[in-house]
Amino acid sequence: DGGITQSPKYLFRKEGQNVTLSCEQNLNHDAMYWYRQDPGQGLRLIYYSQIVNDFQKGDIAEGYSVSREKKESFPLTVTSAQKNPTAFYLCASSMFGGDEQFFGPGTRLTVL
Amino acid sequence: QKEVEQNSGPLSVPEGAIASLNCTYSDRVSQSFFWYRQYSGKSPELIMSIYSNGDKEDGRFTAQLNKASQYVSLLIRDSQPSDSATYLCAAPPNAGGTSYGKLTFGQGTILTVHP
Repeated sequence: DGGITQSPKYLFRKEGQNVTLSCEQNLNHDAMYWYRQDPGQGLRLIYYSQIVNDFQKGDIAEGYSVSREKKESFPLTVTSAQKNPTAFYLCASSMFGGDEQFFGPGTRLTVL
Repeated sequence: QKEVEQNSGPLSVPEGAIASLNCTYSDRVSQSFFWYRQYSGKSPELIMSIYSNGDKEDGRFTAQLNKASQYVSLLIRDSQPSDSATYLCAAPPNAGGTSYGKLTFGQGTILTVHP
């Protein structure tokens, strides 16, 4: 089955900790994206990558970091510098930048 | 003005009725538009892509694109309670702009279909 997987589904973090969210796709898509969604809010773009070893900041990149070492993988690290990290994090991919995007199931991060 | 704007809703329709969701856009010559459905607590699911002027039908869903009026809509015929969700429209920015490679999403319209 082709698709996008995210892990873990739920993640709890203590204040001051860095955590890494996993995103893997086997759709052979070039572009990958990370979004944040807060309750009752729309999608806000954190980072995106159109090709391996290259990525761009989205609208709310502060306190986050990413890497794109493999086409299939685009992990997101939520650092301790992110002041309000509790949110629903969504990873997406598309054949190329600007094309229709397909979303993973999401990771719900809660800071304790 | 926001680049992609949706009718704010929430929208409530009776079961069996036609639900009409609208999206307007500005400052773009985008050739493609996408509609997503997001159930509460779940991730968005792509339900329709439209690339040219006119109508595109897929089952009970019809997307309509009018580039001259910068308007794209989604019609859901014979609405069912299972259609109750938030619907998001999205479009890529102008080609060649600094935002190339992204999609711009509207804020979403909450649809409730009541029995």
